[in-house]
Amino acid sequence: AQTVTQSQPEMSVQEAETVTLSCTYDTSESDYYLFWYKQPPSRQMILVIRQEAYKQQNATENRFSVNFQKAAKSFSLKISDSQLGDAAMYFCAYRRESYGGSQGNLIFGKGTKLSVKP
Amino acid sequence: NAGVTQTPKFRVLKTGQSMTLLCAQDMNHEYMYWYRQDPGMGLRLIHYSVGEGTTAKGEVPDGYNVSRLKKQNFLLGLESAAPSQTSVYFCASKGLVRLETQYFGPGTRLLVL
Repeated sequence: AQTVTQSQPEMSVQEAETVTLSCTYDTSESDYYLFWYKQPPSRQMILVIRQEAYKQQNATENRFSVNFQKAAKSFSLKISDSQLGDAAMYFCAYRRESYGGSQGNLIFGKGTKLSVKP
Repeated sequence: NAGVTQTPKFRVLKTGQSMTLLCAQDMNHEYMYWYRQDPGMGLRLIHYSVGEGTTAKGEVPDGYNVSRLKKQNFLLGLESAAPSQTSVYFCASKGLVRLETQYFGPGTRLLVL
């Protein structure tokens, strides 16, 4: 069974600094997606960034980027120029894919609570 | 577009009572999901549906039933609520496009006393 592990329950960063959140996963599949979701106090799940396993290039979305190491099964999230609005729970998630479609079920890690200090 | 909506937003139940959570999506998505989120945990899949009239069990299905009579609606039922079912429940939906992500509802907070 696939598992997702986030080893940092809490992280803290100074405003305008850079922080990296860690995520490792375990799977025997070769075709899958990885995601980072942000959950602010409102509880809404917000997609931050996604990575396709067959793409070697790391995904980037503005101040958010990932370091995807497929062989090591590692998928870390880097937040640059941290802002107060970045404070939230961050969840790493895995989704298996298969040709012909899949159920699209997400498997989540336990999350990392990020605090941003002014 | 409203996206994914959930009704109610908050509910208090007594042990043994029953209730139904409603999820509705207006994006014509095939796939729909129910997750629960407990403190210190990520979201865990309860049940899911790959199309109208079909449902399947997820990781933590015990104590819940679901129905998908209409494509746009996915109902989660608790027949006899237990304190262990106190949680935040999220519904999500997804289309058939391979790269598409899941769209989440705002969540329903359920407290079982």
